[in-house]
Formats: sequence, C-alpha cells, structure tokens
Amino acid sequence: GAVVSQHPSRVICKSGTSVKIECRSLDFQATTMFWYRQFPKQSLMLMATSNEGSKATYEQGVEKDKFLINHASLTLSTLTVTSAHPEDSSFYICSARAVNNEQFFGPGTRLTVL
Amino acid sequence: TQLLEQSPQFLSIQEGENLTVYCNSSSVFSSLQWYRQEPGEGPVLLVTVVTGGEVKKLKRLTFQFGDARKDSSLHITAAQPGDTGLYLCAVISGYALNFGKGTSLLVTP
Repeated sequence: GAVVSQHPSRVICKSGTSVKIECRSLDFQATTMFWYRQFPKQSLMLMATSNEGSKATYEQGVEKDKFLINHASLTLSTLTVTSAHPEDSSFYICSARAVNNEQFFGPGTRLTVL
Repeated sequence: TQLLEQSPQFLSIQEGENLTVYCNSSSVFSSLQWYRQEPGEGPVLLVTVVTGGEVKKLKRLTFQFGDARKDSSLHITAAQPGDTGLYLCAVISGYALNFGKGTSLLVTP
C-alpha cells in the first residue's frame, strides 16, 4: 500500500519555540493532505486541510496563525506550531489523499512542549 | 456534536473471548470505514463498507453496515492479545475523515 512518512517522530521543545513537522507521501502524489491532532485517550480531530498550491482550510477553533501549513509540492506538507505552549503537546498525525480518494495515514509526531 | 457515537468506550477482555463494538449515528452515510490504531502510531484502515446490510470478514473480524447505512458493528471472534488497540469508525465529510471517539480494546493473555 501507499506510504506516508512524518518527521520527526518525536520532538521536545521549550515553551515559546516553533516546531516544524513534515508529512511526505513517498510513492504517490497527494493534492490534498490532512492534519489531525490526537490527545491522550481521545480520537483524531481534524485541524486543517492542506491543498497543494493554495491556502489551507482550517477547522473551527484552530488558529491559522499558530498552526502554519504549507503544501509546496504534491508530496510534501508541513505543519509549523508557532510559539508552542504546553497545551499544544499532542500527537499530530497527517494523512494524504490518493487519486482514488483513499487516505493513508502517517505514523504521527509526538510533540511535547516543556 | 459528535457525528459518530462508538460504544463501548473501553473494553477489557481475556484471550479467546468474543466481542462486538458499535458505531452509531442519526445520519445516513454512503460509506463507513473502520480503522485500528496502536499506541504511538497512525491509524490503519481495516475495511470500508458501502452497501446497506453489507457484511465483510477479515480473518476473525466481521464488519457489518446497517441496513439504513446509519450504523455499523465490528465483531471479533476469539480475541487475541494482538487485537489490542483503539478501534475507530470514520466517515468521509467533505474530503476529510470524521472519526468516532473510538473503542479502546485490551486483550489479556
């Protein structure tokens, strides 16, 4: 099946710093990628839809200036958590939508903000 | 409001037991998916059901889509410790997936 990678898998940062997370579709092109956030013992919540070559669409309640999304190519989307705070600590998961509309998920990035 | 309601939220059983988890909604869907997620990993697609009343089997897992396409169930026969994980149902909303809250399953030897 199609493979989606995320980097880094884990990151620990100090409060106030910014963290960039990469999501890559390794063997297919994805015009649309999605970013989800998952808190402990909870389900995945959609944060934003990332469209190649255009602005991301954010879900209600998600601050676009805090969670910057860039989808510069058909195989790469990045999520930058700006001025991270402890409450931003979470498991961030991306998915990429293939031509047949099937979605493939990355392995996730565990962010811990101290 | 939660589009998909999953039950039970937590389930702890012994190896060899059978179990059923449910995914319910008041909305009608053209399709519904089940995923399994292990701790620290992304969810993995198990099955997609598209036809009302459809039953799909994946080894010891049996998935059913309700006749009215509003609900679905997942039945596991003779559960094994390797079945431990978070089971999520999901439907496509726009292009993104809308997940239920999940059923956390623990199977002990």
